[in-house]
Amino acid sequence: QQKVQQSPESLIVPEGGMASLNCTSSDRNVDYFWWYRQHSGKSPKMLMSIFSNGEKEEGRFTVHLNKASLHTSLHIRDSQPSDSALYLCAASRNSNNRIFFGDGTQLVVKP
Amino acid sequence: GALVYQYPRRTICKSGTSMRMECQAVGFQATSVAWYRQSPQKTFELIALSTVNSAIKYEQNFTQEKFPISHPNLSFSSMTVLNAYLEDRGLYLCGARVQGGNTLYFGEGSRLIVV
Repeated sequence: QQKVQQSPESLIVPEGGMASLNCTSSDRNVDYFWWYRQHSGKSPKMLMSIFSNGEKEEGRFTVHLNKASLHTSLHIRDSQPSDSALYLCAASRNSNNRIFFGDGTQLVVKP
Repeated sequence: GALVYQYPRRTICKSGTSMRMECQAVGFQATSVAWYRQSPQKTFELIALSTVNSAIKYEQNFTQEKFPISHPNLSFSSMTVLNAYLEDRGLYLCGARVQGGNTLYFGEGSRLIVV
């Protein structure tokens, strides 16, 4: 399977702090990236998608994409305890519809 | 977002027996369904991609003989784990793709426990 690498494996931030999560694909033909959030005992829910180089912001969440380096990052500002979850990065080529996931970053936001 | 029902939520089965799980798209047409396994160690693997009216494509290390999939229409898919052993434990997730879209919407998962 194509590799989607996420770092760090786990991250602890204080409430109100900034959380930064990273993701890199090993497939040079990747076109699309997603970030999913999975709370404990639940299924992954799509948080944000990014398909073009640059930055996209939705509320406290910002994603960056650099297609040349196959790298995307997710930044959560003013982190809340409810943001504590497993964050999964996903990547896909346009051509084949197969979406591959990384193993996730476990985020803990401490009150 | 799109609604996907997956059941059963949890199954405990004896080693060597089989488990069938079902995935139902509600209120939309799922042009493709992807089955994944999230292991107890949190590795997230694509098992197969199923598109209606096309051959089901299995990833390396996963076979039709072990994980047969049925995808008869645009709202339903099922997968069976045959002869389950300890290494098959995990959360099995179906992800449905909405017609005309790129995003996968997941069901709540079917957790397989093998004893």
